[in-house]
Amino acid sequence: KNEVEQSPQNLTAQEGEFITINCSYSVGISALHWLQQHPGGGIVSLFMLSSGKKKHGRLIATINIQEKHSSLHITASHPRDSAVYICAVRSDNDMRFGAGTRLTVKP
Amino acid sequence: DAGVIQSPRHEVTEMGQEVTLRCKPISGHDYLFWYRQTMMRGLELLIYFNNNVPIDDSGMPEDRFSAKMPNASFSTLKIQPSEPRDSAVYFCASKTSGGAGEQFFGPGTRLTVL
Repeated sequence: KNEVEQSPQNLTAQEGEFITINCSYSVGISALHWLQQHPGGGIVSLFMLSSGKKKHGRLIATINIQEKHSSLHITASHPRDSAVYICAVRSDNDMRFGAGTRLTVKP
Repeated sequence: DAGVIQSPRHEVTEMGQEVTLRCKPISGHDYLFWYRQTMMRGLELLIYFNNNVPIDDSGMPEDRFSAKMPNASFSTLKIQPSEPRDSAVYFCASKTSGGAGEQFFGPGTRLTVL
């Protein structure tokens, strides 16, 4: 079993829909990152969380430390949100990555 | 700031050759990370530096891989000798020790070993 599990693996949505991507992990962590990888390959760090909730524009990330679970929400999705979203957890000196969720938002 | 700079952006080489990937972190960032991304294994942390000192290299796959950071503005990842299974995209990222602690990624180097 992977230490970081993401779901779903693939997600197709219509423009305007509310999107939720989930991440569950099995190790103790000091922080959790959400990354966005564009179709061209570039990676952008969206959030780093150690507790609670963060919001940036249409993106919201939450984490529940007790349940070892985090969610990334996108409100009013847009085709430019199409990308792979990767959950990464930092534990001591190591980082572990989920396999990613490929999101396609259709106009 | 120009962001994290990596060079070359693409590298094609033959098995057995030495490959050197380069990274310039964002000025003022004191952490530097090297990652590898493949279809099979996804993203993996190879090594990271704090204040130019390697902190954890447990992700380095084998002795053919080595990384250095001779100063705060430059790091290299060297593969010698290269093998076809080293083909991947190699990302460098940097961050500060304070604040939000979010990492800023370079554009990556796509390495193909024939």
